[in-house]
Amino acid sequence: GQNIDQPTEMTATEGAIVQINCTYQTSGFNGLFWYQQHAGEAPTFLSYNVLDGLEEKGRFSSFLSRSKGYSYLLLKELQMKDSASYLCAVRDLGNTPLVFGKGTRLSVIA
Amino acid sequence: EAQVTQNPRYLITVTGKKLTVTCSQNMNHEYMSWYRQDPGLGLRQIYYSMNVEVTDKGDVPEGYKVSRKEKRNFPLILESPSPNQTSLYFCASSSLTGGGGPQHFGDGTRLSIL
Repeated sequence: GQNIDQPTEMTATEGAIVQINCTYQTSGFNGLFWYQQHAGEAPTFLSYNVLDGLEEKGRFSSFLSRSKGYSYLLLKELQMKDSASYLCAVRDLGNTPLVFGKGTRLSVIA
Repeated sequence: EAQVTQNPRYLITVTGKKLTVTCSQNMNHEYMSWYRQDPGLGLRQIYYSMNVEVTDKGDVPEGYKVSRKEKRNFPLILESPSPNQTSLYFCASSSLTGGGGPQHFGDGTRLSIL
């Protein structure tokens, strides 16, 4: 089976750094995705990791450790507009559908 | 502009009245999928399709049908809608080449079944 865990909610202060963790258990692994979703809107793609290490893209970075079944999304210099849900999704081997976690709702406060 | 287009965006209807939510993508993607999203439950996959005439059940297929007669279109059909199908629905597509790319989502369809 497949299982993806992320914290349900997090709160952080404007200007700060926040790390959103994701752990997964899948029979195989062929990549991990992070999406951002504002309330009532469609998820939008943020990052993709298939090899171990850190991928940096502006204020957002994503890290992967395949041996630990672990990833995190790091958001720096938080802005109010970063208040959203962040979804972790894993692709198993072969042409299999993405499996999504339930998402972490981040609230950025002043 | 590369996009996934769903219609309608909002629909209020009554139990038992058949409805179809259309989904179209212009990126020549092989893979298309339907999800429903409910509070506290996250995105749950209803059906997906790897290519034309190939469809498979996701995690919550009961009460839904799909078809994939053309590569660009993947309609979701509710033959006899019930109130427990009130939800926010998303269509998504992605390429399967090179190991697969990120999914692109439509803007969502909010269905209310009374």
